Amino acid sequence: ELKVEQNPLFLSMQEEKNYTIYCNYSTTSDRLYWYRQDPGKSLESLFVLLSNGAVKQEGRLMASLDTKARLSTLHITAAVHDLSATYFCAVDGDFGNEKLTFGTGTRLTIIP
Amino acid sequence: NAGVTQTPKFQVLKTGQSMTLQCAQDMNHEYMSWYRQDPGMGLRLIHYSVGAGITDQGEVPNGYNVSRSTTEDFPLRLLSAAPSQTSVYFCASIRTGRTEAFFGQGTRLTVV
Repeated sequence: ELKVEQNPLFLSMQEEKNYTIYCNYSTTSDRLYWYRQDPGKSLESLFVLLSNGAVKQEGRLMASLDTKARLSTLHITAAVHDLSATYFCAVDGDFGNEKLTFGTGTRLTIIP
Repeated sequence: NAGVTQTPKFQVLKTGQSMTLQCAQDMNHEYMSWYRQDPGMGLRLIHYSVGAGITDQGEVPNGYNVSRSTTEDFPLRLLSAAPSQTSVYFCASIRTGRTEAFFGQGTRLTVV
């Protein structure tokens, strides 16, 4: 059974600081997704990481994937208030299996 | 394009009532799925479909039925609502090649 663990679960950080959210998963997978969710809203796709060593960046967010370590990271650079949200990682199962397994989410609060 | 459309957005049911949550997508995606989101538990897969006429169970299927008579529609039926089914439900469709998953706006269901 595929398990996905995120940490931390809650993160309060000051503006302009850097931090990293970690996503570990338990079995082999060939792709990993990062989503953002604002309170009461749906999930917004941030990144899809398709291979070992993949790195993607959008604004102050950068995601990477290490399939050998079964680890993905979401790095936040110089945080700003509008990045406050809950961030989820999700892992695709075995190749050809589109069942996404989600982590429990990281609730990020940026303090001015 | 409308993307993934869910209805209703909010619903209150009495224990034992039945209802259908509607989900439609206009992107011609083969893969669709239903998730429930509960506090502290991320999103858990209820049922999924890899194409018209094909459905399968996810992690938490008990108390729910699905059907997929067309590529566009994937309704979720609650047979006899229970308070444990109080949750936020999301429908998703995935692009061929699994490069991105699109989520509907969610249905907030309360069972009293």
